[in-house]
Amino acid sequence: AQTVTQSQPEMSVQEAETVTLSCTYDTSESDYYLFWYKQPPSRQMILVIRQEAYKQQNATENRFSVNFQKAAKSFSLKISDSQLGDAAMYFCAYRSAYSGNTPLVFGKGTRLSVIA
Amino acid sequence: DTGVSQDPRHKITKRGQNVTFRCDPISEHNRLYWYRQTLGQGPEFLTYFQNEAQLEKSRLLSDRFSAERPKGSFSTLEIQRTEQGDSAMYLCASSKIGSRDATNEKLFFGSGTQLSVL
Repeated sequence: AQTVTQSQPEMSVQEAETVTLSCTYDTSESDYYLFWYKQPPSRQMILVIRQEAYKQQNATENRFSVNFQKAAKSFSLKISDSQLGDAAMYFCAYRSAYSGNTPLVFGKGTRLSVIA
Repeated sequence: DTGVSQDPRHKITKRGQNVTFRCDPISEHNRLYWYRQTLGQGPEFLTYFQNEAQLEKSRLLSDRFSAERPKGSFSTLEIQRTEQGDSAMYLCASSKIGSRDATNEKLFFGSGTQLSVL
């Protein structure tokens, strides 16, 4: 079974600075998807960014980018120019690409605080 | 479109009581998922539907739990004889997939129902 590990329960960053959230995963599969979700106090999970394992190029979405290291099974999220609205729980998630019926597997999350 | 809607937002119940939650997915979304999230943990998969068919159930879904999605629209999750260990947030998510891109789906989550069992 696949597992996702987020080793940083809490992180903080100064406004306008850059922060990196770590995620590692364990799988025997070669094709899969990786995701970062944000969960603000409103509790609604919001997709931040997504990476297909077969793509070597790291995904970027405005201020959010990932460092995908397939051999190391590492998938970190970098938030640039941090804003107060970035404060939330961030979850890393994995999904197999071999079947359309496998659910997302989430890590335990990292709580990000942004200091004004 | 207002997104995935869940009702109620909070539910407090006494141990042994039955509770039912409702999820209204985004219109025309054919897949609907239920997840459970306990304090300090990420969401854990419970079950999912494609249209009205329940295609998979997690081992976390004990016999006291039942989910339905009549007519492939809204879904209900019922917990019978609640226990304190059922206290958690229950998240619903929906997606629209085609037959060719089932692995490429994007989930949209609701804000969850927070259950407290006293």
